[in-house]
Amino acid sequence: EAGVAQSPRYKIIEKRQSVAFWCNPISGHATLYWYQQILGQGPKLLIQFQNNGVVDDSQLPKDRFSAERLKGVDSTLKIQPAKLEDSAVYLCASSAGTGGPNTEAFFGQGTRLTVV
Amino acid sequence: RKEVEQDPGPFNVPEGATVAFNCTYSNSASQSFFWYRQDCRKEPKLLMSVYSSGNEDGRFTAQLNRASQYISLLIRDSKLSDSATYLCVVSTSGTYKYIFGTGTRLKVLA
Repeated sequence: EAGVAQSPRYKIIEKRQSVAFWCNPISGHATLYWYQQILGQGPKLLIQFQNNGVVDDSQLPKDRFSAERLKGVDSTLKIQPAKLEDSAVYLCASSAGTGGPNTEAFFGQGTRLTVV
Repeated sequence: RKEVEQDPGPFNVPEGATVAFNCTYSNSASQSFFWYRQDCRKEPKLLMSVYSSGNEDGRFTAQLNRASQYISLLIRDSKLSDSATYLCVVSTSGTYKYIFGTGTRLKVLA
């Protein structure tokens, strides 16, 4: 079974530039998550999709971050304009979405963003 | 108060030791609980789900205390390969939202 695919793996940009990340979840997984993980911290949920609808985006800085999930499959996360404090690993995860104790969230390898 | 709290450690223990991590959560509507493991510069991976009655997987034992709103992970006979960050994850009823703790770093020493 193919896992969660993310690209790019690494990105270095200057502050005030824009950047986009792409995620392809495991086939058939209804729920897709984007997390931001700053060095030394746990993953912080930015946005959660159920199919192509947003379930939770309460921690997404909407003045600069946006995300979409077209046709309930692939998703993109965009930052515009980037700030130094956006330097982090951006993790995409997917799950079958039933929420029970046997529902595992599978993670992609992440995109490591450095803003200089 | 954070939704999910963990002692960040690090915990430095000798090989063969038993080590325990605790995690507290604030939302009493939380329904599902997990422990994930994250190796340095890698993505988190599921270690084990936590069931109401407690569960064991080899050297790993997970417990849930709903009344006190905490979960625990016990690792027996620690191996060098257990060195990693252990992340507590809580999911709230109906939302399928996975909230992570900060993680607890474990280093097993030879």
